Amino acid sequence: DGGITQSPKYLFRKEGQNVTLSCEQNLNHDAMYWYRQDPGQGLRLIYYSQIVNDFQKGDIAEGYSVSREKKESFPLTVTSAQKNPTAFYLCASSHLGGTYEQYFGPGTRLTVT
Amino acid sequence: KNEVEQSPQNLTAQEGEFITINCSYSVGISALHWLQQHPGGGIVSLFMLSSGKKKHGRLIATINIQEKHSSLHITASHPRDSAVYICAALRGDTDKLIFGTGTRLQVFP
Repeated sequence: DGGITQSPKYLFRKEGQNVTLSCEQNLNHDAMYWYRQDPGQGLRLIYYSQIVNDFQKGDIAEGYSVSREKKESFPLTVTSAQKNPTAFYLCASSHLGGTYEQYFGPGTRLTVT
Repeated sequence: KNEVEQSPQNLTAQEGEFITINCSYSVGISALHWLQQHPGGGIVSLFMLSSGKKKHGRLIATINIQEKHSSLHITASHPRDSAVYICAALRGDTDKLIFGTGTRLQVFP
């Protein structure tokens, strides 16, 4: 079945450690996105990529890094520089062009203590 | 003030009731999305519209571009409709989505 997978569903880390969240899609989408969701706030864009080996910062990129070495994969690293990393992280993908529907993964809930 | 505002924030209903969720935006958009987020966190796209009205089963979405307002209606609501409904506006200048904070709907039997 086509879709987007994120792993793991829940992730726990100690403060000061980097952690990488996985996102894979088999929808043949060119564009991929990472969002962060906090209670009481709308989703906010962290990074997005429209083509392999290229990506752009979103609204809240500080403390995060990404790579896009393959069309299917867009991993997000939450670095120790991210001041408030505990959140729900959602990956999405779409065809190029903003008027295409975005398909979302199931999300990863990261807790940093 | 958020560029995308939803109301109400929380909504409870009895099974069978007609539900309306509202979304207002203050930026120029090329499309508006309605999304559904279930308790587990996964998000599903319900509608994308740039004018008029769309219907899918018991769900109806409308948009008024001049008034910068969209509504999501659920007819004959059912407990399985319980979820968070999110409005997201696609900015015409950047092609990025701006999300509302969501409306939490609970439908009781």
